[in-house]
Amino acid sequence: RKEVEQDPGPFNVPEGATVAFNCTYSNSASQSFFWYRQDCRKEPKLLMSVYSSGNEDGRFTAQLNRASQYISLLIRDSKLSDSATYLCGYNFNKFYFGSGTKLNVKP
Amino acid sequence: NAGVTQTPKFQVLKTGQSMTLQCAQDMNHEYMSWYRQDPGMGLRLIHYSVGAGITDQGEVPNGYNVSRSTTEDFPLRLLSAAPSQTSVYFCASSYSHPNYGYTFGSGTRLTVV
Repeated sequence: RKEVEQDPGPFNVPEGATVAFNCTYSNSASQSFFWYRQDCRKEPKLLMSVYSSGNEDGRFTAQLNRASQYISLLIRDSKLSDSATYLCGYNFNKFYFGSGTKLNVKP
Repeated sequence: NAGVTQTPKFQVLKTGQSMTLQCAQDMNHEYMSWYRQDPGMGLRLIHYSVGAGITDQGEVPNGYNVSRSTTEDFPLRLLSAAPSQTSVYFCASSYSHPNYGYTFGSGTRLTVV
């Protein structure tokens, strides 16, 4: 089983839509989780951190469900500029990343 | 602060050549790692380090060597380049506390012909 699993997508949504991605992890002892955004041919950039139950930053909400071992990312009022690949990961002695979920926001 | 600096940005190698990808960070981060990312795929960990003088293998270490003589630098050496090593290589660093995420360098695009 992979350490981190994500639906690769793509998720194709219209502007203004709300979209949610899930990410499951295998290590129940993990404490810190992260969402990264990666644009085409660029490096991943940290979007949000999740340590407890959740975190909110503007249109973005990340939540952690320890019982089911998954984290989620909710994007409200999607913008064209949100189109990217979203990677989730966690830090437990070393960093484990999922393969990413591709989001396409259409006009 | 410059963050994580990788050089070169692009490189073409012939099969069998060796080279070193450079990575330097100026944030006094203890953790540093090298990943490779192939088209349409996620990040695969090559080698990582939890501090100066300490390195360990990731999931795809074959064909690569690393050393960590200082906190700032973590070079990745390709011993004898193969076409299968054509990829984008990212260096990343972080504080050791698990609540900190990784900061990535801008990547090195390597083509082995």
